[in-house]
Amino acid sequence: AQSVTQLGSHVSVSEGALVLLRCNYSSSVPPYLFWYVQYPNQGLQLLLKYTSAATLVKGINGFEAEFKKSETSFHLTKPSAHMSDAAEYFCAVSVGNFGNEKLTFGTGTRLTIIP
Amino acid sequence: DAGVTQSPTHLIKTRGQQVTLRCSPISGHKSVSWYQQVLGQGPQFIFQYYEKEERGRGNFPDRFSARQFPNYSSELNVNALLLGDSALYLCASSLEDRGSYEQYFGPGTRLTVT
Repeated sequence: AQSVTQLGSHVSVSEGALVLLRCNYSSSVPPYLFWYVQYPNQGLQLLLKYTSAATLVKGINGFEAEFKKSETSFHLTKPSAHMSDAAEYFCAVSVGNFGNEKLTFGTGTRLTIIP
Repeated sequence: DAGVTQSPTHLIKTRGQQVTLRCSPISGHKSVSWYQQVLGQGPQFIFQYYEKEERGRGNFPDRFSARQFPNYSSELNVNALLLGDSALYLCASSLEDRGSYEQYFGPGTRLTVT
């Protein structure tokens, strides 16, 4: 079974600083990996996804993530934090492409931006 | 284009009651999945439906059931509600039920059981 571990339940960065949110996955087969963002009292919005086409994936709002198979990691980064980035971020994994594949989520990382 | 819609937005029920939550997928999407998100945790998979057939079920008791209609909308039913069922229930739709297809989430229904 696949799983995701997000290191750091809370991360605080200053406005304009680098954002780094960590995600490690476990899967016996090549995974599909996703980052979602959740603003207060809202659903989840897809930031980006990895489906084996390219190891560096660019998403919306200036975020990107790099798939590193040797480290089983898929960390999310943004060069310069903005106040509007404050939210909860979830890493998720799906495996297989034959139908009936669910998303397995990490426990989330709450990002706080310091003015 | 309209995204995934869910109704109602909020719901308060008493222990032992039954509840029905509704979801309309993005137009053209054939797969609908349901997730439960307890406060402070990541979403947990409950069900996946594709072309009106159940394709997957998470580790939830039989009190939870769902169905998908010919127009691909879906309902999630929970019977004999427990306090622990209080959560945000999220519906997600995707074009297909395969792992490589991204899932788009609705705003959720917040269920409070008292």
